[in-house]
Parts: sequence; C-alpha cells; structure tokens
Amino acid sequence: AQTVTQSQPEMSVQEAETVTLSCTYDTSENNYYLFWYKQPPSRQMILVIRQEAYKQQNATENRFSVNFQKAAKSFSLKISDSQLGDTAMYFCAFMGVNAGGTSYGKLTFGQGTILTVHP
Amino acid sequence: GAVVSQHPSRVICKSGTSVKIECRSLDFQATTMFWYRQFPKQSLMLMATSNEGSKATYEQGVEKDKFLINHASLTLSTLTVTSAHPEDSSFYICSARRGSGGNTIYFGEGSWLTVV
Repeated sequence: AQTVTQSQPEMSVQEAETVTLSCTYDTSENNYYLFWYKQPPSRQMILVIRQEAYKQQNATENRFSVNFQKAAKSFSLKISDSQLGDTAMYFCAFMGVNAGGTSYGKLTFGQGTILTVHP
Repeated sequence: GAVVSQHPSRVICKSGTSVKIECRSLDFQATTMFWYRQFPKQSLMLMATSNEGSKATYEQGVEKDKFLINHASLTLSTLTVTSAHPEDSSFYICSARRGSGGNTIYFGEGSWLTVV
C-alpha cells in the first residue's frame, strides 16, 4: 500500500510572494501519477498539477510548478506570485498505474495543507 | 470539458433513515467511479470503488451493508447510507475516470450529509 505525507498542516504567505508545499510518499510501484489538488471553501476538488512518474521533467502550470524527486519520493508544489484566490486547502495525491499503463483510478491523499495568502 | 455531477449537494436526514447520493458523469462513460468521505479539515478517505455492472469493492473498515453502492449504468453510481446515525454526518465526494484506463480523474461537487 502507498502512503502520502504532508507535514505542514498550515502555511501562510504574503500576496505576490512564493511558497512551497511539501509532500512525500511511499510506494513499491514503479509507475504512478502524482497530483496536487486545491480545495477551496466550496469543497470542490480542483486539479492544480499532475506529474507522471516516468517523466523526469518537472510539471509546470503557469504559476504552479513541482519539484519531483523520484528517488527521494518527494513531490513539492511551488506557488509563485501568490494570489488571494490561492487561499485553500491543498492535497497531494498518489495514483498507481499497472504494468499495462492503466491507472487504478483511486487516489491516496495526504493530510492536506491549509494555505492562507495574506494581502 | 468533462463534468461529474453529484446530487444532492446538501441533505439532512433523521437518524435511522436512509439517504441516497447520486454521482453522474455528464459527458463521458465511467466504468469505474470512486466514493470518498471527508471530515472537516481532514483528508479524503477512499470508501469504495464502484464498478459498472458488478459489485463495489470496499476499503478495509467500511461497512458494506451500511454504505450501499450501485453502479447500474455507465454514467451513474449511487451511494446509499442506510440507517444513518449522527456519526455518518460528513462530506461525501465521488470521482470518475473517463473510460476504462483513463488517467484523468474528475470529481463531483460533493454532498454534505447531516444526520439529526
């Protein structure tokens, strides 16, 4: 079984500054996906960024980027130029993929990090 | 884009009654859907995997008879909380995977259940 650990229950950052959220995971699988989801007060799960384990290049989506260290099983999220709308709970998640390349579809989530962006 | 709709968004029921929550994929077929439970300020915990045309697969510790899952069509999965108790009050959220091997997961809006 895999586990996902987010060791920062809460983080805060000033608007326009950069913040990094940490995530580590443990798995015996060789192929998998890692995700960061944002959950605002509405509780809607919003995909922020996705990383495929077999890709060495770190994923980037506008102001969001990851630092994926496969050997260390680390997957941190960097938010640049933080905006007030970034205030939310952020979850790191793991999804396994079988040998045929098909995902299992189910996600294992970390405990979450509450991010507050201050004006 | 793909949309997964959940209904109702909020429901209040009395102890001892049953309540049904629907998860519907609106523009794609989902052979597999997933049900999660989330307590306030906590993480999402997988309850079960809903398989179209077959029995659901429950995670360890989840009572099958209490949380009935039915996936009768390629676009609809339902979660029925039977004989609800106040401790079942929680946020329930479903997800769906496009097709049989898709690697993109779509979440519903979630459903707040309050048992009084």
